[in-house]
Amino acid sequence: QKEVEQNSGPLSVPEGAIASLNCTYSDRGSQSFFWYRQYSGKSPELIMFIYSNGDKEDGRFTAQLNKASQYVSLLIRDSQPSDSATYLCAGRGSNYKLTFGKGTLLTVNP
Amino acid sequence: NAGVTQTPKFQVLKTGQSMTLQCAQDMNHNSMYWYRQDPGMGLRLIYYSASEGTTDKGEVPNGYNVSRLNKREFSLRLESAAPSQTSVYFCASSDHAQYSGYRLGTDTQYFGPGTRLTVL
Repeated sequence: QKEVEQNSGPLSVPEGAIASLNCTYSDRGSQSFFWYRQYSGKSPELIMFIYSNGDKEDGRFTAQLNKASQYVSLLIRDSQPSDSATYLCAGRGSNYKLTFGKGTLLTVNP
Repeated sequence: NAGVTQTPKFQVLKTGQSMTLQCAQDMNHNSMYWYRQDPGMGLRLIYYSASEGTTDKGEVPNGYNVSRLNKREFSLRLESAAPSQTSVYFCASSDHAQYSGYRLGTDTQYFGPGTRLTVL
């Protein structure tokens, strides 16, 4: 069973702080990883994708991938109350299907 | 561009009734997917279609059937609804299911707004 595990949270950070979301995966054949944000009652929307080891930055968001440790993370700098949502990590494995983690609920307190 | 659209947005069924959830995308994507999302379970793949004319089972296909009507449309049918099928259903699409040889990011999946289904 190929799995993607996320720290279950909930995670609570003050406004302006860095939020760190983590994810591990079991399928060593996984080739690409995705972070989605899902507001309550809404559908998942893509934040970032990452394919290569290292960091990838997009505005306040940084995704990090370490294939040796089978670890993916998402950092949100200068967190805003509007960042409060559930964050889903997903990996595309050797079978070409996406496997999603169960999500981490993030609350940013004003 | 509407992206991925789903109908209906809400539906209540009685046990044993049948219904079809409709999904359409206008991004000229090759691959389409049906997921269900339940509290504490995350998103689970029901069926997917890597390209027009092909469909394949995902993690939880029992009780469902699918039809890839054309490149744009992918429907999910519940033949005899059961209370265990109460869930939120999301359709998604991507340019390509497979990575090798394609541009980075073309396997990114884009989601529709979802259908909230209750089976009594």
